[in-house]
Amino acid sequence: EDQVTQSPEALRLQEGESSSLNCSYTVSGLRGLFWYRQDPGKGPEFLFTLYSAGEEKEKERLKATLTKKESFLHITAPKPEDSATYLCAVQKPQGAQKLVFGQGTRLTINP
Amino acid sequence: EAQVTQNPRYLITVTGKKLTVTCSQNMNHEYMSWYRQDPGLGLRQIYYSMNVEVTDKGDVPEGYKVSRKEKRNFPLILESPSPNQTSLYFCASSSAAGLAYNEQFFGPGTRLTVL
Repeated sequence: EDQVTQSPEALRLQEGESSSLNCSYTVSGLRGLFWYRQDPGKGPEFLFTLYSAGEEKEKERLKATLTKKESFLHITAPKPEDSATYLCAVQKPQGAQKLVFGQGTRLTINP
Repeated sequence: EAQVTQNPRYLITVTGKKLTVTCSQNMNHEYMSWYRQDPGLGLRQIYYSMNVEVTDKGDVPEGYKVSRKEKRNFPLILESPSPNQTSLYFCASSSAAGLAYNEQFFGPGTRLTVL
């Protein structure tokens, strides 16, 4: 069964304290892995797409990496405004619209 | 402004009373999807549409219907809502690019409570 597992479920950091979020998947024939950010009461907002192992993408304090079994979202020197739930999703081989989401990591950055 | 809109944003209804949640996008996107988000279960796909008059089931389609008569609109229909359909619903759209996948743009969500 296709599964996407994110860890930890919740993470609390001090401002400036770097860390990483994990997304592991068991989807065979991965066509793409996506990271989204979701603020309370809002829809997910796209961050990154990764297609192949070894690929990396960066945006401000965030860097996403991909291996054959997992992806990491590295957060460097986070600020309170980085507080959000971060969602990982994988594209299934069946088609461009078939996405499987993980449960998310709720990140809190204390000032 | 490019956006996906959903209406209503909040809805409280009773078991068995048919309802429709509307979704509209102004980006001329081919793909549209509906998701539900529940605590501990994450986002799960209900239905998706590749283009006008082309729809297919996602992972949790039971109890839902959709239609795609116009490119910009993708309503979600609950013919006979039940309490287990209480959830936060999101509509999303994305553009086509052959076999590649472009990022989905999500609407603001509709919080549905079925009593």
